[in-house]
Amino acid sequence: AQSVTQLDSQVPVFEEAPVELRCNYSSSVSVYLFWYVQYPNQGLQLLLKYLSGSTLVKGINGFEAEFNKSQTSFHLRKPSVHISDTAEYVCSVTLSGSSYKLIFGSGTRLLVRP
Amino acid sequence: DAGVIQSPRHEVTEMGQEVTLRCKPISGHNSLFWYRQTMMRGLELLIYFNNNVPIDDSGMPEDRFSAKMPNASFSTLKIQPSEPRDSAVYFCASSGTANTEAFFGQGTRLTVV
Repeated sequence: AQSVTQLDSQVPVFEEAPVELRCNYSSSVSVYLFWYVQYPNQGLQLLLKYLSGSTLVKGINGFEAEFNKSQTSFHLRKPSVHISDTAEYVCSVTLSGSSYKLIFGSGTRLLVRP
Repeated sequence: DAGVIQSPRHEVTEMGQEVTLRCKPISGHNSLFWYRQTMMRGLELLIYFNNNVPIDDSGMPEDRFSAKMPNASFSTLKIQPSEPRDSAVYFCASSGTANTEAFFGQGTRLTVV
């Protein structure tokens, strides 16, 4: 069965510092990968997605992620964070093909400090 | 498009009462998902529908929970009877095809006292 692991429940970082949020998945078949962001008291908003092609995916707000099939990872990065990036970041995976079932990781809270 | 619409945004109810959460997916989307979010468990998939048919309800916690999708533009999640441990934010999401992202509603914050 597919699953998503986000080992870091919270990542504190100072403003303008780089950040990497880790995501690993397990699946025996091809997958599609997504990162969502959730601001307080709001629903989830798509940051970026990997379907196929280039393994480096760029998203909104300066975020990017790299798909690494051999390590089954899809880590999210930003070279310089802002206070406004403070939010919950959730990685998700679904199987490619007809069996569409979006599974989420437990989320990582990014806390940007001045 | 107005996006996925959920109602109510907030619900406070007493233990033992029936609670019904509602969702209107984005027009044209054929997959609909119900999720529950808590601090302890994060986001949990409860059930998902494809073309109005329940495909996987293995995440529904127990018989007190039920979900229906009578047509392509409406779904309900019902809890009867409700318990304090059901307190959470319930999200509805919809998707158009298998390789596109799911679009989420604003959620319903349920508090059972």
